[in-house]
Amino acid sequence: KAGVTQTPRYLIKTRGQQVTLSCSPISGHRSVSWYQQTPGQGLQFLFEYFSETQRNKGNFPGRFSGRQFSNSRSEMNVSTLELGDSALYLCASSLLAGSTGELFFGEGSRLTVL
Amino acid sequence: GENVEQHPSTLSVQEGDSAVIKCTYSDSASNYFPWYKQELGKRPQLIIDIRSNVGEKKDQRIAVTLNKTAKHFSLHITETQPEDSAVYFCAASTNSGYALNFGKGTSLLVTP
Repeated sequence: KAGVTQTPRYLIKTRGQQVTLSCSPISGHRSVSWYQQTPGQGLQFLFEYFSETQRNKGNFPGRFSGRQFSNSRSEMNVSTLELGDSALYLCASSLLAGSTGELFFGEGSRLTVL
Repeated sequence: GENVEQHPSTLSVQEGDSAVIKCTYSDSASNYFPWYKQELGKRPQLIIDIRSNVGEKKDQRIAVTLNKTAKHFSLHITETQPEDSAVYFCAASTNSGYALNFGKGTSLLVTP
């Protein structure tokens, strides 16, 4: 079956702009979580959605938001982009809650903020 | 949020040697501890996990041990091979039941 799909794969934005990233989970998976990956900082948890509800949020400013649709697809939005937002944004889906079993990651969306 | 500390940040071993990566966590409610491997330019993939009711788990050349009292867990790779070269991340579940806290990763290099 198809894996986790993230779009777009690469994007370049300038400071102050906003960006929307999309994630399509594996069919049947109800949980989608988002992580920011930067060199030396590992994977930092942004938020997790389960059955269209945000279940947990990481320590990121309110400029970072997300949502999940009834088909489990998820989007995350970053407003008023800053240089420090440049990173690889990884989405992961899981059958149940993200803390209980395997996460299946997408290939990521690499955001560069100029 | 809760922290997961991972050491070392880089590790270089010769082919055939063993590699050990250690992690500590702070949330006593954590009960699920996975390890992910990320090869260069690829997505992270689960290689092994352990739950709090188990002290050790093995899968061929890979093993994980958990000490709940000390709040630390370790990944052991025996008979390392060049294809084991990658970044390894440990993680611990959170008390919310959602989200994982990841360590910052260990870059393992296995030289022939």
